Amino acid sequence: EPEVTQTPSHQVTQMGQEVILRCVPISNHLYFYWYRQILGQKVEFLVSFYNNEISEKSEIFDDQFSVERPDGSNFTLKIRSTKLEDSAMYFCASSGGQGGRSPLHFGNGTRLTVT
Amino acid sequence: SQQGEEDPQALSIQEGENATMNCSYKTSINNLQWYRQNSGRGLVHLILIRSNEREKHSGRLRVTLDTSKKSSSLLITASRAADTASYFCATDEVGSEKLVFGKGMKLTVNP
Repeated sequence: EPEVTQTPSHQVTQMGQEVILRCVPISNHLYFYWYRQILGQKVEFLVSFYNNEISEKSEIFDDQFSVERPDGSNFTLKIRSTKLEDSAMYFCASSGGQGGRSPLHFGNGTRLTVT
Repeated sequence: SQQGEEDPQALSIQEGENATMNCSYKTSINNLQWYRQNSGRGLVHLILIRSNEREKHSGRLRVTLDTSKKSSSLLITASRAADTASYFCATDEVGSEKLVFGKGMKLTVNP
Protein backbone atom coordinates (compact mmCIF):
# COMPACT_ATOMS: atom_id res chain seq x y z
CA GLU A 1 0.00 0.00 0.00
CA PRO A 2 1.38 3.47 -0.88
CA GLU A 3 2.59 5.48 2.07
CA VAL A 4 3.79 8.94 3.00
CA THR A 5 7.48 9.03 3.85
CA GLN A 6 9.23 11.66 5.92
CA THR A 7 12.91 12.41 6.40
CA PRO A 8 14.77 12.71 8.63
CA SER A 9 13.08 10.79 11.42
CA HIS A 10 14.91 12.90 14.00
CA GLN A 11 16.49 16.33 13.58
CA VAL A 12 18.47 18.14 16.27
CA THR A 13 19.28 21.78 15.68
CA GLN A 14 20.44 24.81 17.58
CA MET A 15 18.16 27.74 18.25
CA GLY A 16 18.25 30.23 15.38
CA GLN A 17 19.23 27.69 12.77
CA GLU A 18 17.18 26.86 9.68
CA VAL A 19 15.72 23.40 9.20
CA ILE A 20 14.01 21.75 6.27
CA LEU A 21 11.72 18.81 6.88
CA ARG A 22 11.05 16.64 3.88
CA CYS A 23 8.06 14.60 2.83
CA VAL A 24 7.14 12.43 -0.11
CA PRO A 25 3.34 12.28 -0.31
CA ILE A 26 1.40 9.50 -2.00
CA SER A 27 1.98 9.96 -5.70
CA ASN A 28 -1.57 10.54 -6.97
CA HIS A 29 -2.65 12.76 -4.08
CA LEU A 30 -3.35 16.43 -4.69
CA TYR A 31 -3.73 17.88 -1.18
CA PHE A 32 -0.84 18.18 1.24
CA TYR A 33 -0.64 19.16 4.88
CA TRP A 34 1.73 19.76 7.75
CA TYR A 35 0.70 19.17 11.35
CA ARG A 36 2.71 19.19 14.54
CA GLN A 37 2.32 17.46 17.88
CA ILE A 38 4.09 18.53 21.04
CA LEU A 39 4.98 15.78 23.54
CA GLY A 40 2.28 13.37 22.36
CA GLN A 41 -0.44 15.90 22.99
CA LYS A 42 -2.80 17.67 20.64
CA VAL A 43 -2.24 17.41 16.90
CA GLU A 44 -2.14 20.98 15.56
CA PHE A 45 -2.84 22.03 11.99
CA LEU A 46 -0.12 24.16 10.41
CA VAL A 47 -0.84 24.49 6.70
CA SER A 48 -2.60 22.97 3.73
CA PHE A 49 -1.29 23.12 0.18
CA TYR A 50 -3.08 22.55 -3.10
CA ASN A 51 -2.35 23.41 -6.71
CA ASN A 52 1.10 24.73 -5.81
CA GLU A 53 -0.06 27.24 -3.28
CA ILE A 54 -1.08 27.50 0.35
CA SER A 55 -4.81 27.06 0.66
CA GLU A 56 -5.11 27.54 4.40
CA LYS A 57 -2.76 28.18 7.32
CA SER A 58 -3.04 28.47 11.08
CA GLU A 59 -1.87 31.21 13.43
CA ILE A 60 1.14 29.04 14.27
CA PHE A 61 2.30 29.22 10.65
CA ASP A 62 3.94 32.63 10.84
CA ASP A 63 6.66 34.20 8.69
CA GLN A 64 9.24 31.78 10.09
CA PHE A 65 7.53 28.93 8.27
CA SER A 66 7.31 28.19 4.57
CA VAL A 67 6.30 25.26 2.42
CA GLU A 68 7.35 24.24 -1.01
CA ARG A 69 6.72 21.53 -3.55
CA PRO A 70 9.97 21.87 -5.49
CA ASP A 71 9.29 18.98 -7.86
CA GLY A 72 6.55 16.46 -8.56
CA SER A 73 7.28 14.30 -5.55
CA ASN A 74 8.64 16.25 -2.58
CA PHE A 75 6.84 18.53 -0.16
CA THR A 76 8.98 20.47 2.30
CA LEU A 77 8.48 22.52 5.45
CA LYS A 78 11.14 25.11 6.22
CA ILE A 79 11.58 26.83 9.56
CA ARG A 80 13.90 29.79 9.02
CA SER A 81 15.06 30.56 12.54
CA THR A 82 14.13 27.85 14.99
CA LYS A 83 13.01 28.57 18.53
CA LEU A 84 12.97 26.27 21.54
CA GLU A 85 9.17 26.09 21.34
CA ASP A 86 9.39 24.67 17.80
CA SER A 87 10.48 21.36 19.34
CA ALA A 88 7.78 18.89 18.36
CA MET A 89 6.86 16.02 16.09
CA TYR A 90 6.07 17.31 12.62
CA PHE A 91 3.73 15.22 10.52
CA CYS A 92 3.18 15.46 6.80
CA ALA A 93 -0.08 14.19 5.35
CA SER A 94 -1.66 13.90 1.94
CA SER A 95 -5.14 13.14 0.66
CA GLY A 96 -6.77 12.40 -2.65
CA GLY A 97 -9.67 14.74 -1.98
CA GLN A 98 -10.22 18.00 -0.20
CA GLY A 99 -9.39 17.96 3.49
CA GLY A 100 -12.13 16.68 5.72
CA ARG A 101 -13.96 14.93 2.92
CA SER A 102 -11.25 12.35 2.41
CA PRO A 103 -8.99 10.41 4.75
CA LEU A 104 -5.60 11.90 5.44
CA HIS A 105 -2.59 9.65 5.07
CA PHE A 106 0.15 10.54 7.53
CA GLY A 107 3.86 9.90 7.54
CA ASN A 108 5.59 8.71 10.70
CA GLY A 109 6.84 12.18 11.46
CA THR A 110 10.07 14.03 12.06
CA ARG A 111 11.00 14.65 15.66
CA LEU A 112 12.52 18.13 15.79
CA THR A 113 14.59 19.01 18.84
CA VAL A 114 15.76 22.61 19.19
CA THR A 115 18.52 23.13 21.75
CA SER B 1 -12.04 27.84 16.18
CA GLN B 2 -13.93 24.64 16.84
CA GLN B 3 -12.25 21.68 18.41
CA GLY B 4 -13.03 18.05 19.01
CA GLU B 5 -12.79 16.95 22.60
CA GLU B 6 -12.51 13.26 23.35
CA ASP B 7 -13.92 11.79 26.51
CA PRO B 8 -12.65 10.07 28.57
CA GLN B 9 -9.03 11.17 28.18
CA ALA B 10 -7.77 7.76 29.23
CA LEU B 11 -9.41 4.36 29.39
CA SER B 12 -8.03 1.05 30.60
CA ILE B 13 -9.94 -2.17 29.90
CA GLN B 14 -9.40 -5.91 29.68
CA GLU B 15 -9.02 -7.77 26.42
CA GLY B 16 -12.40 -8.84 25.07
CA GLU B 17 -14.26 -5.90 26.56
CA ASN B 18 -15.79 -3.11 24.49
CA ALA B 19 -14.31 0.38 24.49
CA THR B 20 -16.39 3.48 23.90
CA MET B 21 -14.87 6.88 23.23
CA ASN B 22 -16.84 10.07 22.85
CA CYS B 23 -16.08 13.24 20.94
CA SER B 24 -17.79 16.61 21.16
CA TYR B 25 -17.30 19.56 18.85
CA LYS B 26 -18.53 23.12 18.68
CA THR B 27 -19.49 24.20 15.17
CA SER B 28 -21.25 22.87 12.09
CA ILE B 29 -19.24 20.27 10.26
CA ASN B 30 -19.16 18.49 6.93
CA ASN B 31 -17.53 15.29 8.14
CA LEU B 32 -16.04 13.68 11.22
CA GLN B 33 -13.15 11.25 11.17
CA TRP B 34 -11.50 8.99 13.71
CA TYR B 35 -7.78 8.21 13.76
CA ARG B 36 -5.52 6.08 15.91
CA GLN B 37 -1.90 6.70 16.79
CA ASN B 38 0.52 4.18 18.14
CA SER B 39 3.27 5.60 20.31
CA GLY B 40 5.86 7.46 18.25
CA ARG B 41 4.08 6.84 14.97
CA GLY B 42 1.87 8.76 12.56
CA LEU B 43 -1.90 8.85 12.69
CA VAL B 44 -3.83 6.18 10.86
CA HIS B 45 -7.29 6.83 9.50
CA LEU B 46 -9.99 4.54 10.88
CA ILE B 47 -13.35 5.75 9.64
CA LEU B 48 -15.09 8.80 8.17
CA ILE B 49 -18.73 9.67 8.79
CA ARG B 50 -20.52 12.40 6.90
CA SER B 51 -22.81 14.93 8.53
CA ASN B 52 -25.89 13.35 6.94
CA GLU B 53 -25.02 9.89 8.30
CA ARG B 54 -25.94 8.68 11.78
CA GLU B 55 -24.03 5.44 12.07
CA LYS B 56 -21.26 3.61 10.30
CA HIS B 57 -19.53 0.28 10.78
CA SER B 58 -16.12 -0.99 9.79
CA GLY B 59 -15.08 -4.39 11.13
CA ARG B 60 -15.03 -4.11 14.93
CA LEU B 61 -15.56 -0.35 14.79
CA ARG B 62 -18.89 1.38 15.11
CA VAL B 63 -19.18 5.15 14.84
CA THR B 64 -22.24 7.24 15.57
CA LEU B 65 -22.81 10.90 14.86
CA ASP B 66 -25.40 13.16 16.43
CA THR B 67 -25.22 16.56 14.77
CA SER B 68 -27.95 17.99 17.00
CA LYS B 69 -25.76 17.31 20.06
CA LYS B 70 -22.53 17.92 18.16
CA SER B 71 -21.12 14.64 19.34
CA SER B 72 -19.78 11.35 18.03
CA SER B 73 -18.85 8.05 19.59
CA LEU B 74 -16.41 5.35 18.56
CA LEU B 75 -17.08 1.84 19.80
CA ILE B 76 -14.43 -0.85 19.51
CA THR B 77 -15.93 -4.26 20.17
CA ALA B 78 -14.07 -7.31 21.49
CA SER B 79 -10.93 -5.27 22.13
CA ARG B 80 -7.46 -6.72 21.70
CA ALA B 81 -4.12 -5.77 23.23
CA ALA B 82 -3.13 -4.50 19.77
CA ASP B 83 -5.88 -1.86 20.03
CA THR B 84 -3.76 -0.09 22.65
CA ALA B 85 -3.16 3.35 21.17
CA SER B 86 -4.31 6.96 21.28
CA TYR B 87 -7.52 7.75 19.43
CA PHE B 88 -8.40 11.12 17.95
CA CYS B 89 -11.52 12.56 16.44
CA ALA B 90 -11.15 15.20 13.76
CA THR B 91 -13.65 17.53 12.17
CA ASP B 92 -13.79 19.94 9.28
CA GLU B 93 -15.74 23.14 9.71
CA VAL B 94 -18.20 24.17 7.07
CA GLY B 95 -16.28 26.56 4.81
CA SER B 96 -12.86 25.23 5.74
CA GLU B 97 -10.87 22.41 4.27
CA LYS B 98 -8.58 21.82 7.20
CA LEU B 99 -9.08 18.90 9.55
CA VAL B 100 -8.97 19.90 13.22
CA PHE B 101 -8.01 17.22 15.71
CA GLY B 102 -9.09 16.79 19.29
CA LYS B 103 -6.71 16.21 22.18
CA GLY B 104 -6.92 12.46 21.87
CA MET B 105 -7.76 9.63 24.19
CA LYS B 106 -5.36 6.97 25.37
CA LEU B 107 -6.79 3.45 25.32
CA THR B 108 -4.98 0.65 27.12
CA VAL B 109 -6.17 -2.90 26.55
CA ASN B 110 -4.72 -5.29 29.11
CA PRO B 111 -4.13 -8.90 27.99
